[in-house]
Amino acid sequence: GNSVTQMEGPVTLSEEAFLTINCTYTATGYPSLFWYVQYPGEGLQLLLKATKADDKGSNKGFEATYRKETTSFHLEKGSVQVSDSAVYFCAQGRRDTDKLIFGTGTRLQVFP
Amino acid sequence: EAQVTQNPRYLITVTGKKLTVTCSQNMNHEYMSWYRQDPGLGLRQIYYSMNVEVTDKGDVPEGYKVSRKEKRNFPLILESPSPNQTSLYFCASSRDRDYGYTFGSGTRLTVV
Repeated sequence: GNSVTQMEGPVTLSEEAFLTINCTYTATGYPSLFWYVQYPGEGLQLLLKATKADDKGSNKGFEATYRKETTSFHLEKGSVQVSDSAVYFCAQGRRDTDKLIFGTGTRLQVFP
Repeated sequence: EAQVTQNPRYLITVTGKKLTVTCSQNMNHEYMSWYRQDPGLGLRQIYYSMNVEVTDKGDVPEGYKVSRKEKRNFPLILESPSPNQTSLYFCASSRDRDYGYTFGSGTRLTVV
């Protein structure tokens, strides 16, 4: 069935380091792909999305490219800040239903 | 401000006492969903609705009910709560399948 697999955390980085959080998916057909971010005590916020192969989603310095050949949607940022500390969720959206399938989340901790 | 509003934010209740968590959105979105978030399991969909009077089961619907009598409201009903329903619950809404969801701030439910 459809699923999303994320790297386990926590990911611990120093400020200004390069960030990669891996995400791969299994799906029938071509889902939309999303990254959501959850700051402590808050709900999830949509960070970026891509709706078809080779699309690149970007927002707030974060980027992810929809790679059909590797079924991946890795999240990257060139220089992280302490304020980026949060839990990041990769998700796919099925076109035949209204269902978002989430990965288990990756906690990012950025230290000054 | 465009938002999804859930109430209450925190709730402690006893086993078997019926409760309702309300959810309202002011964006005229057609799609609405309920998710629960549990450590190590990520987010799992409970129910979703693609329009007024149209609802369907997600991955973990047992023990829950929903209704969609108006476009803006999508309450989650626990007729007889049990301790295994202790969780963090999120309501979300979306304009369409590829747009991405807007999430509420969450309801932390404890059933003792």
